[in-house]
Amino acid sequence: AQKVTQAQTEISVVEKEDVTLDCVYETRDTTYYLFWYKQPPSGELVFLIRRNSFDEQNEISGRYSWNFQKSTSSFNFTITASQVVDSAVYFCALRRGGATNKLIFGTGTLLAVQP
Amino acid sequence: DVKVTQSSRYLVKRTGEKVFLECVQDMDHENMFWYRQDPGLGLRLIYFSYDVKMKEKGDIPEGYSVSREKKERFSLILESASTNQTSMYLCASRRTAGGYEQYFGPGTRLTVT
Repeated sequence: AQKVTQAQTEISVVEKEDVTLDCVYETRDTTYYLFWYKQPPSGELVFLIRRNSFDEQNEISGRYSWNFQKSTSSFNFTITASQVVDSAVYFCALRRGGATNKLIFGTGTLLAVQP
Repeated sequence: DVKVTQSSRYLVKRTGEKVFLECVQDMDHENMFWYRQDPGLGLRLIYFSYDVKMKEKGDIPEGYSVSREKKERFSLILESASTNQTSMYLCASRRTAGGYEQYFGPGTRLTVT
């Protein structure tokens, strides 16, 4: 079975704090893809990153970084020096390799960054 | 930039009405998707289409149908709206080759009274 768990329903931080959003996935596939999306209050999901199962290198993009660990089936997302504009719902998602089109989403984490 | 548009941001319909939600993408993507988003449940796939006139059921197709007559347009149809279909509906598209990320529209918040 394929499953994505985001155990943190809501997180509240003060601006400039670092925050990590957790994502744990379950799959028996050897090839799969992991994603993070951001959903600001406007509603539109914005693609942030895709990671292939055979590439465990961590990635940094500005204040955003992602830690992919196959040993613990986790794909965590860290925002450094958070800003009010980071306030959003963040979704982690899993896609199987091959021809399937399906994305399996976690339930999302609402991040509130207070000024 | 990829652009996915949805016909309405907010919609209020009565129980039993037939409801059409329209989605258009301008990037010539082969694949299009309809999701519904509910608190605590994340996004759940209703239907998707991998080509014109082709469709496949997602995880929760009951009470819905879809239509894809043109590559750029994917419609979600609620044949007889019910109150449990009150939700946020999100459309997405992606190309078949290469990248696997889906690009989303702004969503339609549907209220059925």
